[in-house]
Amino acid sequence: SAVISQKPSRDICQRGTSLTIQCQVDSQVTMMFWYRQQPGQSLTLIATANQGSEATYESGFVIDKFPISRPNLTFSTLTVSNMSPEDSSIYLCSVGGGDEKLFFGSGTQLSVL
Amino acid sequence: GNSVTQMEGPVTLSEEAFLTINCTYTATGYPSLFWYVQYPGEGLQLLLKATKADDKGSNKGFEATYRKETTSFHLEKGSVQVSDSAVYFCALGLGNTGKLIFGQGTTLQVKP
Repeated sequence: SAVISQKPSRDICQRGTSLTIQCQVDSQVTMMFWYRQQPGQSLTLIATANQGSEATYESGFVIDKFPISRPNLTFSTLTVSNMSPEDSSIYLCSVGGGDEKLFFGSGTQLSVL
Repeated sequence: GNSVTQMEGPVTLSEEAFLTINCTYTATGYPSLFWYVQYPGEGLQLLLKATKADDKGSNKGFEATYRKETTSFHLEKGSVQVSDSAVYFCALGLGNTGKLIFGQGTTLQVKP
């Protein structure tokens, strides 16, 4: 199994600012994903973080709003840009564990005032 | 398209009661099916999975059977414990993409 460290675990931010979330994995992984879990709702895939190339975004998510970096096989960042209260969610990093299994970080709980 | 629908919660049970959480799916092709659990204050963990029709996944006393004819993957446990209180997510896997599509989650509360 993979151990995923996500930072920060929570933050309260002002409208219009940006927050960068870091995800560190204890082993090299090919597949890394960012999910969003809005209050009382399910997880929605934001994008697949590709090492050495641009992230692949799902419908409804754009790079300008959620820029992603993946400089190597153990690390990725997700930035939530120009935040509004609607961005208040839990953001989760996950990695593929083979056999279609996913491992998840403990998440970043973001509140935007 | 692909989607997962779970029964709405919260589900409140007494200890040692029987648990069923319904999950149905819509998918093209033959997805793998999963149940993930999120205990309070923790990240999601894989509970069990099934990769083809009639497979039964099981773990920690929980079971779910992949039913292609009813497109269902209901989660069951014969006798729940207080420690089973958590949010349970049904999900389907889109093959080699590594992506999962999740249901909306069902909160289970078990009272002593």
